[in-house]
Amino acid sequence: KNQVEQSPQSLIILEGKNCTLQCNYTVSPFSNLRWYKQDTGRGPVSLTIMTFSENTKSNGRYTATLDADTKQSSLHITASQLSDSASYICVVTSSGTYKYIFGTGTRLKVLA
Amino acid sequence: GAGVSQSPSNKVTEKGKDVELRCDPISGHTALYWYRQRLGQGLEFLIYFQGNSAPDKSGLPSDRFSAERTGESVSTLTIQRTQQEDSAVYLCASSLTGLGNQPQHFGDGTRLSIL
Repeated sequence: KNQVEQSPQSLIILEGKNCTLQCNYTVSPFSNLRWYKQDTGRGPVSLTIMTFSENTKSNGRYTATLDADTKQSSLHITASQLSDSASYICVVTSSGTYKYIFGTGTRLKVLA
Repeated sequence: GAGVSQSPSNKVTEKGKDVELRCDPISGHTALYWYRQRLGQGLEFLIYFQGNSAPDKSGLPSDRFSAERTGESVSTLTIQRTQQEDSAVYLCASSLTGLGNQPQHFGDGTRLSIL
C-alpha cells in the first residue's frame, strides 16, 4: 500500500534554532517528492520538489534531502523564524499517475 | 486572478441541509482536484478532473457527494443532506496538466461546519 509517514507529529523550537523534519514513504514506482508549507487557515504552498535523481534541493532557509534507496526524505529549516510556524506536508507521486499521496504533516511552532 | 480561488471561505449550516462549494482554478490549468482535510489530519483525495475526460470520483466518501466542472473552468462540490462528520476544510487545487511532475496550486479552502 502506498503510504507517506512523517515525524515528528509536532515540534516546538526557539526562534533562531534549526530543525529537521522526516518523511518516510512506501510509494512505488516513485516519481517525485514534494514538501509543502501550510499556514493556519491557508492552502498548502510548495517549497521543494525532488525527482529520483536529486538528493538535495534548497529554497532559501529550507533544504530538502532525498534518499531514494531507503525511501526517506528530510526537510531542514535553518535559523528558524516565527513565520516558519506552520504544518509541513510531505507529498509523494507515483510514476504514471496523477494522484498525490499526502503525509499527515508535522506541526511546527517557533517561539520567540 | 493569479491563484486558485475558493468560495465561500467559511460555511456554517444545519445538519441535513445541502451545501455547494466553488473553486475557480488558475486559468489554463487543465487538472483540478478536490480534497478534504479533517482537523489534524492529512489531505484526503475526493475527485479529479482532467480536461474533458471523465472525472475520477473514486475518493468521494458517499453518494451524498458530487462534483461538476465545465470544461477547464469553475468546479462545484455539492454535499447533500449534510452530516456532522462532513465538517472539515475542503481544499481545491489545480495544475497545468494531470502529470504528477506538475506542481499543484491550492486555494485557501472552504471551512465547513455542520451544526
